[in-house]
Amino acid sequence: GESVGLHLPTLSVQEGDNSIINCAYSNSASDYFIWYKQESGKGPQFIIDIRSNMDKRQGQRVTVLLNKTVKHLSLQIAATQPGDSAVYFCAESLNDMRFGAGTRLTVKP
Amino acid sequence: NAGVMQNPRHLVRRRGQEARLRCSPMKGHSHVYWYRQLPEEGLKFMVYLQKENIIDESGMPKERFSAEFPKEGPSILRIQQVVRGDSAAYFCASSPQALTEAFFGQGTRLTVV
Repeated sequence: GESVGLHLPTLSVQEGDNSIINCAYSNSASDYFIWYKQESGKGPQFIIDIRSNMDKRQGQRVTVLLNKTVKHLSLQIAATQPGDSAVYFCAESLNDMRFGAGTRLTVKP
Repeated sequence: NAGVMQNPRHLVRRRGQEARLRCSPMKGHSHVYWYRQLPEEGLKFMVYLQKENIIDESGMPKERFSAEFPKEGPSILRIQQVVRGDSAAYFCASSPQALTEAFFGQGTRLTVV
């Protein structure tokens, strides 16, 4: 569900490595899931989405995995680049759209 | 096709004044979501609207806060009698229908002094 009042967990990776960002969602009835990237001072930017009838979806350098059994989403970023440094949020949608706790990704050169 | 437009980008209000935040959705989008964000925190859902209807306002405080999305014009988030605790970034997002990709605006940063 929503995470309010919690400071962001962080993930630090080396440039060129793969990154895995995890997210737990709360509503087993949620039908649609989205990953967003937010850079400092900007609005969230869509990365990739997945519907509940799928367990994996691939985009350019990104893959989203959905495990409905344990209500878990993950975002995998291949060959992480400095430009990937940002805060990443997952969102679940049934009737509205609710965000999980974000993760700050820092890419070390 | 212009993206989601929010204005103003920055808004300063004295305690007790009213704040009006505007969100113009992308063309053809009839669904609007409003969120509040404090520094280093997540996006807290406030309200979900479709044209002329409030679908879910469960995240919005019952007092002082209201939202609308009229048939014509932008969606408005109104905060009456602002207090210092209302200082935050407020983001809106729009989508053409439910359960599809939502696009965000750049936010309005409200500072109450």
